[in-house]
Amino acid sequence: EIVMTQSPATLSVSPGERATLSCRASQSVSSNLAWYQQKPGQTPRLLIYGASTRATGIPARFSGSGSGTEFTLTISSLQSEDFALYYCQQYNNWPALTFGGGTKVEIK
Amino acid sequence: EVQLVQSGAEVKKPGESLKISCQGSAYSFTTYWIAWVRQMPGKGLEWMGIIYPGDSDTRYSPSFQGQVTISADKSISTAYLQWSSLKASDTAMYYCARLINDGLDVWGQGTTVSVSS
Repeated sequence: EIVMTQSPATLSVSPGERATLSCRASQSVSSNLAWYQQKPGQTPRLLIYGASTRATGIPARFSGSGSGTEFTLTISSLQSEDFALYYCQQYNNWPALTFGGGTKVEIK
Repeated sequence: EVQLVQSGAEVKKPGESLKISCQGSAYSFTTYWIAWVRQMPGKGLEWMGIIYPGDSDTRYSPSFQGQVTISADKSISTAYLQWSSLKASDTAMYYCARLINDGLDVWGQGTTVSVSS
């Protein structure tokens, strides 16, 4: 079973600053990695798929990179609506769709 | 608009059975896998299993195999998640989501299940 590890658990960032979130896979998942955003009390939303492709309607300030076992989600200039939980998920080892434990982005 | 609409919140006692639903609309329900995802209070997302409504091919996460049953009725574009005997530890939010080649692109609104004596 592939284990997905996200770091840090909590990231404190000021509005307008850059946020960098990490996701590591216990074995290679190629580029078969997605990122999701979940705001309090809301449903998760697909942000990035294929490690680096933004989903429909996702602002350009969100970008993803990486392949193999190391991945990064970058939010270039944090807006108030971006403070949320972020999860990575691998789908290389289908049908297993393993999620990482999540990173909470909070206001500094 | 593509949508998945889930059944309402449930309050149950330990040992009771339960079946929750997820109805798709505005897309070909039989040609996309549906995933079920658990989120325990204050915790992260856990993949439970997936079903292909076209032929009811079902795959389970090892963590949930034997604990739940996933099914579908393609005639009414609905997927189900059921328990035969609930435990307090089943208390959680349960989401269904449409699985595309590159992730879960459409999510249901979630069904809260509370199990308490």
